[in-house]
Amino acid sequence: DADVTQTPRNRITKTGKRIMLECSQTKGHDRMYWYRQDPGLGLRLIYYSFDVKDINKGEISDGYSVSRQAQAKFSLSLESAIPNQTALYFCASQPGQGAEEQYFGPGTRLTVT
Amino acid sequence: GEDVEQSLFLSVREGDSSVINCTYTDSSSTYLYWYKQEPGAGLQLLTYIFSNMDMKQDQRLTVLLNKKDKHLSLRIADTQTGDSAIYFCAASPGNTPLVFGKGTRLSVIA
Repeated sequence: DADVTQTPRNRITKTGKRIMLECSQTKGHDRMYWYRQDPGLGLRLIYYSFDVKDINKGEISDGYSVSRQAQAKFSLSLESAIPNQTALYFCASQPGQGAEEQYFGPGTRLTVT
Repeated sequence: GEDVEQSLFLSVREGDSSVINCTYTDSSSTYLYWYKQEPGAGLQLLTYIFSNMDMKQDQRLTVLLNKKDKHLSLRIADTQTGDSAIYFCAASPGNTPLVFGKGTRLSVIA
């Protein structure tokens, strides 16, 4: 089984709709992250959480919100989707700081029409 | 804050060596990483180097770190078509999230 799972894998939605992307990890990691990937722009950090009670904004948090429901679950919401939020979204988890590897999910491809 | 730069494209012939370069700005970055993203997949850690090291070798991969110039490189020996992917450089400036470069798309020509 995959260590980091994301649902849905693909989603098409209309402008103005609220949607939620979900992420679960089975590795017992404290740290979780949400990124978006756009061609030519690499990975940009949206939000991150270092433990269940900790939520931090990343580089591009406007228009997004998150919820850390449990150590294993970290969901990303788009309150009112807009076309320029069309992107590939990745969730990742990490045990802690230092040389610890970030484990990435397979990604959610979101299209906002 | 930290800024990580890398070229966007590299094309090599099968069997040649590939060298992907990266520069970073924050000298306090303790660890520097190379991640690989294959088509349709998430990122996977290839290797990392601690800032007090100059070089790290792992099979076909060699990482070189010039801390003075804040320059990191990844060399892939005997590049194969299966190495075609996007390679991301990332830096860890202390107890903060990784900062990723924009990724270098490596194309291997058979």
